[in-house]
Amino acid sequence: SQTIHQWPATLVQPVGSPLSLECTVEGTSNPNLYWYRQAAGRGLQLLFYSVGIGQISSEVPQNLSASRPQDRQFILSSKKLLLSDSGFYLCAWSVGGSSGKLFFGSGTQLSVL
Amino acid sequence: DQQVKQNSPSLSVQEGRISILNCDYTNSMFDYFLWYKKYPAEGPTFLISISSIKDKNEDGRFTVFLNKSAKHLSLHIVPSQPGDSAVYFCAARPGGSNYKLTFGKGTLLTVNP
Repeated sequence: SQTIHQWPATLVQPVGSPLSLECTVEGTSNPNLYWYRQAAGRGLQLLFYSVGIGQISSEVPQNLSASRPQDRQFILSSKKLLLSDSGFYLCAWSVGGSSGKLFFGSGTQLSVL
Repeated sequence: DQQVKQNSPSLSVQEGRISILNCDYTNSMFDYFLWYKKYPAEGPTFLISISSIKDKNEDGRFTVFLNKSAKHLSLHIVPSQPGDSAVYFCAARPGGSNYKLTFGKGTLLTVNP
């Protein structure tokens, strides 16, 4: 069966510090991978999605970047965090034939202070 | 521009009664709609979906209704149980294979014993 791992579960970082969140998927090949963010009082906003290794699409201009160094690994990064980067970050995956159904990781609560 | 709208931030119902969660959308290109359920500090989990070629889909206590002319869908939970208390997100995607979902802001459902 397929599983998705996302870590860490919580993270407190000072403004201006770097960020690296990692997500890995097991049990499937060539998944579409996504990073979403839920900011306080807001819905789930799509940040990045990837249909293959090295292929990243950015949905909104922001202080973050994403990379996909391996088929089932997706990384969210920042060189210098801003206060506005605080939020609940979710990695998700989907495959063709699933009719758009996304499977989410457990999320990372990021607090930038 | 919010393409998927959940205008009720919260809903409270008594155990055993019906819960009705509403969702409106503006993008006529959306052809597949999903509901996700989210508990605090966890990733959303898929609940039920409906294709634009249907107007109703039922799965146990959960039924989703789609009114394309009104660009409106609703999720009915009957009977409601305390374990249903969670945030419910409506999501939609256009035709095609990239499976990018657009989410609403969510509705917090509280089912009181």
